[in-house]
Amino acid sequence: AQTVTQSQPEMSVQEAETVTLSCTYDTSESNYYLFWYKQPPSRQMILVIRQEAYKQQNATENRFSVNFQKAAKSFSLKISDSQLGDTAMYFCAFMKWGDDMRFGAGTRLTVKP
Amino acid sequence: DSGVTQTPKHLITATGQRVTLRCSPRSGDLSVYWYQQSLDQGLQFLIQYYNGEERAKGNILERFSAQQFPDLHSELNLSSLELGDSALYFCASTPPSGGAEDTQYFGPGTRLTVL
Repeated sequence: AQTVTQSQPEMSVQEAETVTLSCTYDTSESNYYLFWYKQPPSRQMILVIRQEAYKQQNATENRFSVNFQKAAKSFSLKISDSQLGDTAMYFCAFMKWGDDMRFGAGTRLTVKP
Repeated sequence: DSGVTQTPKHLITATGQRVTLRCSPRSGDLSVYWYQQSLDQGLQFLIQYYNGEERAKGNILERFSAQQFPDLHSELNLSSLELGDSALYFCASTPPSGGAEDTQYFGPGTRLTVL
């Protein structure tokens, strides 16, 4: 069974600085997808970034980028130039094609002014 | 706004009662997923429907059931409610095959409180 582990329950960062959230997963599959979702206080689940396992190039979306290490089964999220609006729970998720999505327990990120 | 709608936004009911949560997927999306998020917990997958057919089942209790209608909206029925069923219930939809069918777009959720 696929499992997703987020080892940092809480993190904080100063506004404008950079922070990295960690995620590891366990799977025997070779083709799958990885995601980071953000859940602000409004509780809405918002897709931040996605990565296809067959792509070696790390995904980037504006200030958000990932470090995907397939062999190590690691998928960390880097947030650059942190903004107050980045304060949220961040969930790492794994999905193999045609299967349901498995979520990690989440990391609560606080951006401090 | 993801394009996925859920009603109602909030629901307060008593133990033993039955409720129905409704979800309308994004236009063109065929799959609907239901998740439960209890307080301070991650999301637990409940069930998935694809074009009206049940496709996958997760940790869904026997007291819960769901269906997807011909117009592709879905309903999650929760019966014999218990205090522990209080949670945020999300639905998500994915594009049809050939698109980014791996990406789930979430609705705003329905907050259920059982008193």
